[in-house]
Amino acid sequence: EAQVTQNPRYLITVTGKKLTVTCSQNMNHEYMSWYRQDPGLGLRQIYYSMNVEVTDKGDVPEGYKVSRKEKRNFPLILESPSPNQTSLYFCASSWAFSGLAGAIQETQYFGPGTRLLVL
Amino acid sequence: AQSVSQHNHHVILSEAASLELGCNYSYGGTVNLFWYVQYPGQHLQLLLKYFSGDPLVKGIKGFEAEFIKSKFSFNLRKPSVQWSDTAEYFCAVNAPERTGGGNKLTFGTGTQLKVEL
Repeated sequence: EAQVTQNPRYLITVTGKKLTVTCSQNMNHEYMSWYRQDPGLGLRQIYYSMNVEVTDKGDVPEGYKVSRKEKRNFPLILESPSPNQTSLYFCASSWAFSGLAGAIQETQYFGPGTRLLVL
Repeated sequence: AQSVSQHNHHVILSEAASLELGCNYSYGGTVNLFWYVQYPGQHLQLLLKYFSGDPLVKGIKGFEAEFIKSKFSFNLRKPSVQWSDTAEYFCAVNAPERTGGGNKLTFGTGTQLKVEL
């Protein structure tokens, strides 16, 4: 079954304790992305990756790191979590179809979400 | 920067009522448009999308949306809602020329729809 998986689904941690949220997709998608969802703000992009070893910042990258060593995995790393990073996090992936201006236009598929609480 | 506005934050309808959710975006160039739905406790699922061609697009579960370029709008419609349509609906826009190759989606803040029996 084609899917995007995230682990853990729920996490409670304390300020400053490093954590990693994993994301994996089995669709051989080139493009992967992380979003956070907060009430009244919708979803905001944290980081994205066009392919292995190619990552770039989204709208709200502060306090986060990512890596893309393999095509299927795109972990989100919080080196020193703070309470303002309490949120619902979604990973997404898509094909990197080259369309207008060499840019990407494809539907993104989302994982089930990881609910993080930082105390 | 591009932005997406969903003016209806909460909508309550009775079953069989018609639905229209507004979505407006700010970017004047080429855009790709999406509606996603998030059922309670679940992840986002694609309802429908517009890349090019016929501005009236049909999606799953009887939903449709119309792209009106002159109004920068992509409103979601359904003629007759069901209780199972209770969910949060997100409009999203991708402007390929602006993102320089990144498949960046800009989301609206969402509309919470509650359908009552």
